[in-house]
Amino acid sequence: DAGVIQSPRHEVTEMGQEVTLRCKPISGHDYLFWYRQTMMRGLELLIYFNNNVPIDDSGMPEDRFSAKMPNASFSTLKIQPSEPRDSAVYFCASSLRGLYGYTFGSGTRLTVV
Amino acid sequence: GIQVEQSPPDLILQEGANSTLRCNFSDSVNNLQWFHQNPWGQLINLFYIPSGTKQNGRLSATTVATERYSLLYISSSQTTDSGVYFCAVNSGYSTLTFGKGTMLLVSP
Repeated sequence: DAGVIQSPRHEVTEMGQEVTLRCKPISGHDYLFWYRQTMMRGLELLIYFNNNVPIDDSGMPEDRFSAKMPNASFSTLKIQPSEPRDSAVYFCASSLRGLYGYTFGSGTRLTVV
Repeated sequence: GIQVEQSPPDLILQEGANSTLRCNFSDSVNNLQWFHQNPWGQLINLFYIPSGTKQNGRLSATTVATERYSLLYISSSQTTDSGVYFCAVNSGYSTLTFGKGTMLLVSP
C-alpha cells in the first residue's frame, strides 16, 4: 500500500482565496482524521470521519473550514476564504477502528500571504 | 479532557548514547501510541502500546496503565533518530490526544 496520500505537498495562496487540500486514506481503513500542526498549538484534531460520515467537527476553527468525504478513498479539507493565520501544516491520517495502523500522510504545508 | 505530558521537552545526545522519554497521562486509556516526526516533517507510527512492553530494533516502549505513564527507550542512538517524539492517547473515543512532544537531537 502506498500509505496515506496527500496533495498538494505545498500550497502558497493569497489571503481571501479558496484552498482545497486532498487526502486518499489507506484502503480498508474506516477512520479518517484531519489535523493541523503549528508551533504554537501543536497537533490539533480538526475533524474525523467514520465510514465516510463526519463524527466530530468540534475542532474545526471556524465556518471558513469545511471537510467532506464523498467515498471511502477520498477526502477534502476546504478553507474559504483563507487568512494568514491559517498558515500551518495540515495532516490527514487514517486508521482501522480508530486504533490500529494509525498512519499519517506527508502533510500539506499551507502558507497564506 | 485527558491531559498528556511529555518529558523532557528537549534532549541532546551524542551518537551511541541511550535515552528514556516519558509520557504521563491524566486518565485511564485504551489506546496509547508513540510517533516520531522526522526533520522533514513526516509522522511515523512507532508503537501501539496501551499496556505492556514492545520492542522494535533499538527502540522499545513500556506502558504501565495502572500508573498512567509510558516510557520510550532509545538505545545506541543514531543521528537518524533526531526529531520530535510524540505520545498520543485516547480514553474511549476514536480520537487521539497528543502531547507536546520531546525534541531529540543526536549529534555525531
